Amino acid sequence: DAGVIQSPRHEVTEMGQEVTLRCKPISGHDYLFWYRQTMMRGLELLIYFNNNVPIDDSGMPEDRFSAKMPNASFSTLKIQPSEPRDSAVYFCASSPSRAHTQYFGPGTRLTVL
Amino acid sequence: AQSVTQLDSQVPVFEEAPVELRCNYSSSVSVYLFWYVQYPNQGLQLLLKYLSGSTLVKGINGFEAEFNKSQTSFHLRKPSVHISDTAEYFCAVTGGGASYDKVIFGPGTSLSVIP
Repeated sequence: DAGVIQSPRHEVTEMGQEVTLRCKPISGHDYLFWYRQTMMRGLELLIYFNNNVPIDDSGMPEDRFSAKMPNASFSTLKIQPSEPRDSAVYFCASSPSRAHTQYFGPGTRLTVL
Repeated sequence: AQSVTQLDSQVPVFEEAPVELRCNYSSSVSVYLFWYVQYPNQGLQLLLKYLSGSTLVKGINGFEAEFNKSQTSFHLRKPSVHISDTAEYFCAVTGGGASYDKVIFGPGTSLSVIP
């Protein structure tokens, strides 16, 4: 298996623009997690899905952030409009079952100018 | 609610010396415990995990951790570190109750191995 795939690996955009991050989980994994990592706040869970259904989005910072999982093999995290404080590394992770090992993607480094 | 404390934000250690990275957690329910490692510019990967049974858990790359329920600790150890062990290490615990699906990560400990 190729592991969790994220695209793009790097994204540089200007404030106010829409940003879409993509994730392909490992086939057969029922759980998908989106995290944000910054020096100041560490690793934060934004939202997670079980069988394509959003279970907990309490970590989403504000309404500018949205996430979808239209099928078992694809998820997106969208920021609209983007702001400089959104600059971070965004990770997607998948897991085969609850409370199991999470498998992380390589991350997307987002820079908002 | 569950929480994780990693007492040392940075740990420098000489090559071939032993190292211990400390982790304490708070929880009122039984939990699963994990250690993840993050190499520069990469995602996190699992080092080891404790689910039940023996309190001494062995992981990859020669690391091991001991679960101590009375002290609510899960410290990570390696008897002899290598340059390649330089990385960020995260202790994590499952959420309890309705949050059992989630994993709560500590702030991380940066291990620097000095040649």
